[in-house]
Amino acid sequence: SQQGEEDPQALSIQEGENATMNCSYKTSINNLQWYRQNSGRGLVHLILIRSNEREKHSGRLRVTLDTSKKSSSLLITASRAADTASYFCAPLSIQGAQKLVFGQGTRLTINP
Amino acid sequence: GAGVSQSPSNKVTEKGKDVELRCDPISGHTALYWYRQSLGQGLEFLIYFQGNSAPDKSGLPSDRFSAERTGGSVSTLTIQRTQQEDSAVYLCASSLVGSYNEQFFGPGTRLTVL
Repeated sequence: SQQGEEDPQALSIQEGENATMNCSYKTSINNLQWYRQNSGRGLVHLILIRSNEREKHSGRLRVTLDTSKKSSSLLITASRAADTASYFCAPLSIQGAQKLVFGQGTRLTINP
Repeated sequence: GAGVSQSPSNKVTEKGKDVELRCDPISGHTALYWYRQSLGQGLEFLIYFQGNSAPDKSGLPSDRFSAERTGGSVSTLTIQRTQQEDSAVYLCASSLVGSYNEQFFGPGTRLTVL
């Protein structure tokens, strides 16, 4: 299955703290993407990391990828209330339609 | 430029009626995807378009579901004889062709079948 599995299912932290979410997958990938979904249903692409990359940064986001362990992590530094959302990882296979297959996600709550 | 747009934003219909959901992708994006998300569930892939053709329809749950895309742009998802289990948020996304790039999502259509 191409589906990624996020861990933990829920995470609650204080504003200003860092949040780390993990993703595990089973297939060979071309890249892995992270998305965020607010309660208002909008899905937003956060960051894409290719299979030959080990770490990538975008603003307060840091993503790592370990293809030997088939795992990725998303770190959000200096969290803000607006970061409250569900986060999904999407491993994209080498072949096929590059359709996104999400797991249940990590529900992140930032407490003021 | 404008992002992906979908219409209607909300649709309430009676069981057995047909519905049409529309998606306007980002201009220049030749890949278009339909997904649906039921309450508390993950994202479920429905169909993928490359231009006007649909090389992957594997996610359509039944023959009541169909989709088309014309002019390599607008796509319509049609659900015939709607059932209560069809109630969900239907999301459309588009991306650049063949590049494994990010998918840009529309705001979705919330379908409620009474």
